[in-house]
Amino acid sequence: DTAVSQTPKYLVTQMGNDKSIKCEQNLGHDTMYWYKQDSKKFLKIMFSYNNKELIINETVPNRFSPKSPDKAHLNLHINSLELGDSAVYFCASSQGGNNYGYTFGSGTRLTVV
Amino acid sequence: QKEVEQDPGPLSVPEGAIVSLNCTYSNSAFQYFMWYRQYSRKGPELLMYTYSSGNKEDGRFTAQVDKSSKYISLFIRDSQPSDSATYLCAMSGRGGTSYGKLTFGQGTILTVHP
Repeated sequence: DTAVSQTPKYLVTQMGNDKSIKCEQNLGHDTMYWYKQDSKKFLKIMFSYNNKELIINETVPNRFSPKSPDKAHLNLHINSLELGDSAVYFCASSQGGNNYGYTFGSGTRLTVV
Repeated sequence: QKEVEQDPGPLSVPEGAIVSLNCTYSNSAFQYFMWYRQYSRKGPELLMYTYSSGNKEDGRFTAQVDKSSKYISLFIRDSQPSDSATYLCAMSGRGGTSYGKLTFGQGTILTVHP
């Protein structure tokens, strides 16, 4: 009965590969987010979707492409992975873009070698 | 310069100590202020939420916001080893392009030793 679940939890891959991270929430929230946390614990927003519509698209390389098939799912596809993409990626959700009711997943630790 | 500055520490205190964590910010549009706690290998979880200036208390935790100084604080009284975690401040504006967006500080690593 995990509220926000991400798969996989760990991902080790070589430079140049393409990979996807999946996120699902069962809270009934209509807004979902992707955040990136670097090695210094700095957490920064990448994208947000509200009811499958892209709302926030921060300055992120276009190798990163989010997809929201429905309001309960938000996936992240990364093309041509680079060493600098190594980080922990967190999915989160809230209701109506409510900055109070955020729930984060437990993260996907991506290592590019 | 980052919009939100937070001393990353690390901070090490004995059990029972009072802990003070702080953040400064530069964006005057921020109106909502939060503190998150993140345990190792876990996602952040909301600890305290404050709107605009003022104080808020919840058990051993007190959050303070001083918008005139663009400064927020979190105090932990009677700290426990279970409080050992990374503490992240986060801020948000109201609607528009800020819709749901949180801007985080770097996080302070806290260790409370028995």
